Amino acid sequence: QQQVKQSPQSLIVQKGGISIINCAYENTAFDYFPWYQQFPGKGPALLIAIRPDVSEKKEGRFTISFNKSAKQFSLHIMDSQPGDSATYFCAASREGNFNKFYFGSGTKLNVKP
Amino acid sequence: NAGVTQTPKFQVLKTGQSMTLQCAQDMNHNSMYWYRQDPGMGLRLIYYSASEGTTDKGEVPNGYNVSRLNKREFSLRLESAAPSQTSVYFCASSELEQFFGPGTRLTVL
Repeated sequence: QQQVKQSPQSLIVQKGGISIINCAYENTAFDYFPWYQQFPGKGPALLIAIRPDVSEKKEGRFTISFNKSAKQFSLHIMDSQPGDSATYFCAASREGNFNKFYFGSGTKLNVKP
Repeated sequence: NAGVTQTPKFQVLKTGQSMTLQCAQDMNHNSMYWYRQDPGMGLRLIYYSASEGTTDKGEVPNGYNVSRLNKREFSLRLESAAPSQTSVYFCASSELEQFFGPGTRLTVL
């Protein structure tokens, strides 16, 4: 059973537009929700993360929106730039002595100049 | 501070050959992980080590073994490589956030 479902699989956005990637999770015990950004040939790198005690977190052009009742969270990239073209992964974990992460299947974003 | 390092970067094996992927971290993290990444499949957990001296199976452990050599190092071994193990392998370590290495691109012919 897939613990975290991510959509869409791929996304094309014009420069300056808003990119939106959605994730849904099953386990209500999850309490840490990071997003990772991966450029070709590189390992994923943490972009932004949220905990369920807030509904939104913003860092620069990147915003996570979190809906606890719907068990959904999304990444919004405002004023998308060609340099944002990458694969984005959402994830979920339960904080504790050990963090086992469950990753979404990834979204390949292409921002057209 | 190199973060998470992996060797080799690229490897080509013939079916049935064995090899060990090396991973080391210098962030004094307790937990370490091995993932494989295949197109459209995201990151799938092969094995993990919650702390030095312990290892556990992840989602796709068949055909792999691991060794947590010490707190810094966590190796992944393929005893008899198969074409289905062609993939990109990532090592990661964490306390809270996971930090990933640059990956090893493995091709099994």
